[in-house]
Parts: sequence; C-alpha cells; structure tokens
Amino acid sequence: TQLLEQSPQFLSIQEGENLTVYCNSSSVFSSLQWYRQEPGEGPVLLVTVVTGGEVKKLKRLTFQFGDARKDSSLHITAAQPGDTGLYLCAYRTGGFKTIFGAGTRLFVKA
Amino acid sequence: DTGVSQNPRHKITKRGQNVTFRCDPISEHNRLYWYRQTLGQGPEFLTYFQNEAQLEKSRLLSDRFSAERPKGSFSTLEIQRTEQGDSAMYLCASSSRQGPGTEAFFGQGTRLTVV
Repeated sequence: TQLLEQSPQFLSIQEGENLTVYCNSSSVFSSLQWYRQEPGEGPVLLVTVVTGGEVKKLKRLTFQFGDARKDSSLHITAAQPGDTGLYLCAYRTGGFKTIFGAGTRLFVKA
Repeated sequence: DTGVSQNPRHKITKRGQNVTFRCDPISEHNRLYWYRQTLGQGPEFLTYFQNEAQLEKSRLLSDRFSAERPKGSFSTLEIQRTEQGDSAMYLCASSSRQGPGTEAFFGQGTRLTVV
C-alpha cells in the first residue's frame, strides 16, 4: 500500500489542454515535494510545498498543498509536448530518505 | 561538476551473474542514496550513506545486495547471483543537508536487465 496515492496513473492529452493531477494521503506531512522524471533520466525536483493551503507557481505549473497538509495537486495550463513525463509526489522522512508515490505518467500529443 | 554520475547506463546480464554499479555524487554532498525503480512505479529507497557510514538499509535490500562508500565519495552497489526480479532502474542521489525541504539530486540511473 502506497502512503502517497497519485491519480490518475496515466493521462494522455492534446497540446494546449489543461490538466490536474493529485497526490493524496491519510497522513499529515510537514512538506511535500513534486518531481518530474523524463524517460531515461532521474527525477528532478520541481517544488517543495510547506504551508497548508500554499500555492506555488512555476511558469505554467501551479502546485497546491491542502489545508490539512494531507494532499497536494499539480495543475498544468496549456500543456506542451515538453511536459511529457512522470510526475512524482514525494515526502522526506524525519531523517533523510525520500518516499515517492507511484506517479502520474503524462503524455502530451502535438 | 555536472551532477550525479552513474555508470554504466545500461547493463544486461545473465541470471546468476554478479553486477556492480558505480555512483559519483556531487562533490560537496556528504549524503548518498540508492533507489530502485521498476516499470510503472516511483523510486523505492534501498539504502543511505552519510559520508562513509551506511546508516539505513531497506528490507528490499536482500543479502544478495551490498553497497559501499569506502572514502565517503563514490559508492558502489553490487548484486550477487542476479535474478530476473532484479531487473529495474537503479538510481543514485546525493544531497548536502537533511531536512524536509532538502533537494536530492538524482543521477540518470543504471538500467539492469537480467536475462
């Protein structure tokens, strides 16, 4: 059982469409992180959200941390083929390791 | 320094053979992590080093797996008597400090195929 449940598992959309992916848990986190992983590469950190209700924007990507700090969402506006990849939410344990969800695999068609 | 470097990028081996992977972290990072990623899943934690000390090993790391970081710089991950279930992407990451917002920088991974 994954502590972080990501949905949907797979998403295929046309260029220019908007989309939202979700990361849910029954646990409370001090922070959550979002990574993007392109095929054949390691994950790259996009953002860390720390405060309940926080919204962070990274160009066309908007990240939100739930008020109760149990969930997070990632919204992409006007998706482009370059957004194709695996989007992973994750948290750092009190010590040192990063625990990942299973990810949402996004494919944006030109 | 161009980031975390992993070698080889790809390895195909026959079942029962031993394999060894190498990770060179970002030079000033004292923390190094190994993860395994199978198709359709996120990376799963295997083990962690702070300098040369191995501080935690996951239950996923069976006795066929061993990791070392002898001088607190590069690390190796060895798998003995490989099995088909070992086929996966093995990722290495490094970081310079711990805490909830710390960024771990990942290498490109070594993709292992056991035939």
